[in-house]
This record gives sequence, C-alpha cells and structure tokens, in this order.
Amino acid sequence: DVKVTQSSRYLVKRTGEKVFLECVQDMDHENMFWYRQDPGLGLRLIYFSYDVKMKEKGDIPEGYSVSREKKERFSLILESASTNQTSMYLCASSLERTDRDQETQYFGPGTRLLVL
Amino acid sequence: AQSVTQLDSQVPVFEEAPVELRCNYSSSVSVYLFWYVQYPNQGLQLLLKYLSGSTLVESINGFEAEFNKSQTSFHLRKPSVHISDTAEYFCAVTLVGNTPLVFGKGTRLSVIA
Repeated sequence: DVKVTQSSRYLVKRTGEKVFLECVQDMDHENMFWYRQDPGLGLRLIYFSYDVKMKEKGDIPEGYSVSREKKERFSLILESASTNQTSMYLCASSLERTDRDQETQYFGPGTRLLVL
Repeated sequence: AQSVTQLDSQVPVFEEAPVELRCNYSSSVSVYLFWYVQYPNQGLQLLLKYLSGSTLVESINGFEAEFNKSQTSFHLRKPSVHISDTAEYFCAVTLVGNTPLVFGKGTRLSVIA
C-alpha cells in the first residue's frame, strides 16, 4: 500500500515564525503536491514537484516555498507565518506523469496548522 | 483551464435512502475524472475514477458514478447509504496527459439514523 506521511498532525505557531511541514512517501513516486484545505473552498494547490529539485507553482503559492532534495520527501515552508495561513495542509503523491495511473493521487493525513 | 463545480455544499440524507452528489466540470478537451472521500480527521482517499472505456464506474463500497460527456457531469450515486458514509466528498478533474488535479469545493454528506 502507498503510504504518505506528514510530520505533524497538529501545529501551533506564532505570527512571523518560519514553519516547516514535512511530507514523505514510500512508493518511489515522482510527483508530489502540497494543498491547503479550507471550509467552503475545497483543496487549493500551493506547489507541486515532478522530480527531485524541481518545483512548480500552483494556484496559491504566495507566502510559501518548497524543497525537494530527495525523491521521497517534499517540504512546505512558510517563511514568515501569518494568521491567514491557518489551515489544513495536505500532501499527496503520484506516479510518473507518463503513466496513465499517475493521475491517482495518494494523500497524507494532513497537518492542521494554527497561527496565532 | 478546467474547473469543477459541486453544486451542493451539504447533503443530509436518512440512512438506507438513496443519494446523489452532483459534479459538473468545464473543459473543451478530454479529461480524467475522480471522486475522493475524506472521513473525519483523515486525508483524502480515492473512491473511484473514470479514465476511459465504460462510462459507469463503481467503487467497492457501493458508490457509482457515470461520466456524461454531453452534460459534462460525473455525478456520484449510492442506492442505500449507511451511517459510515458520512464524510466529505470531492470531485476532481485533470486533462488527459496532464496534471495536477483540480478539485471541487466538496460536498459534506451527513447520514442521519
């Protein structure tokens, strides 16, 4: 079974702090994604990566950055956390884009971040 | 760019009653379609998907969805719901040969005993 793990289920941070959210997948997937989920807004894509050291902006990249130094790990960084970044953050992974089944994304359990 | 509309944000239904969760998408080219489910305090899980072939796809827990190209819809149905089906359901679309997924805003299904 594919397993996507996220470093924390719950985080509380203060405004201005630098925040790291870690995501690890164990199925050698090429593609990894970070979303935020807010009530009434569904899932919105922040950043994604098709390979190590590659990254592409999603729909709402402002205030975030990412790092992918190893294939299995994709980190989301909030350079200076703000209260409007309080949200649920979901990581996902999928197979290489040339494989039709890569369209299936596998999700981690999520990290609920509260910025005070 | 493609988009997904889930018309109902909340759907309450009695146990053992049928349910339909509506999903419409907009795209002028071929798409792949998905339904994901999120149980309380969990991440998303794939429920079913349409890639090609038969327009009716089924999940292992009794849900089904039908791809209707002319109406650009991919509605999710179940003839008899259980309490355990209480969850949030997300419809998603991606262009054939391209990622990432675009999600709808979700429909919260509440099954009432």
